[in-house]
Amino acid sequence: KNQVEQSPQSLIILEGKNCTLQCNYTVSPFSNLRWYKQDTGRGPVSLTIMTFSENTKSNGRYTATLDADTKQSSLHITASQLSDSASYICVVREGGSYIPTFGRGTSLIVHP
Amino acid sequence: EPEVTQTPSHQVTQMGQEVILRCVPISNHLYFYWYRQILGQKVEFLVSFYNNEISEKSEIFDDQFSVERPDGSNFTLKIRSTKLEDSAMYFCASSESPGSNYEQYFGPGTRLTVT
Repeated sequence: KNQVEQSPQSLIILEGKNCTLQCNYTVSPFSNLRWYKQDTGRGPVSLTIMTFSENTKSNGRYTATLDADTKQSSLHITASQLSDSASYICVVREGGSYIPTFGRGTSLIVHP
Repeated sequence: EPEVTQTPSHQVTQMGQEVILRCVPISNHLYFYWYRQILGQKVEFLVSFYNNEISEKSEIFDDQFSVERPDGSNFTLKIRSTKLEDSAMYFCASSESPGSNYEQYFGPGTRLTVT
């Protein structure tokens, strides 16, 4: 069964600090992996998408990495801001399927 | 910037009642989706819809659920006889194409509370 596991479950950091969120998956065959940001009470918004051949992709202060061999991804947030407080969700798409598999998300709280 | 909209933002209903959740996808998108997120749980896929037909559905999407595109703009999810465990946030999403590299744009969600 396809699974996406994220760690940590929650994280509290001070404004201006960096942090890294982890995602491990068992989805096979692999098509792509997205990181979403979900603000409280809102729908998820895509931050990055990574395909099999991509190792690193940046979007502003967000940098995602992918190791397709070990089936791991990370999302690094640089110089965190209060507005980064949200849930960050890893979503993996299986090749040939339109059904994505969602992780439970990492809840990030940025304190001033 | 175009966005997916959903109404109502919060719906309270009694167990056994029918509810209809409404969504207006982005206008040039052709593929539509419903997801749900039980409080504290992960987002779960319910159904995808294209050309007035269901493309794929999950095990959650049983006979009490149905979807419809009644006109050129709305996309609805109907729950025929609600149960307590249907309480969740329901998200609508749309995309230009079902291709996995095409982003699905999510609406703000409807919080359904079944009492």
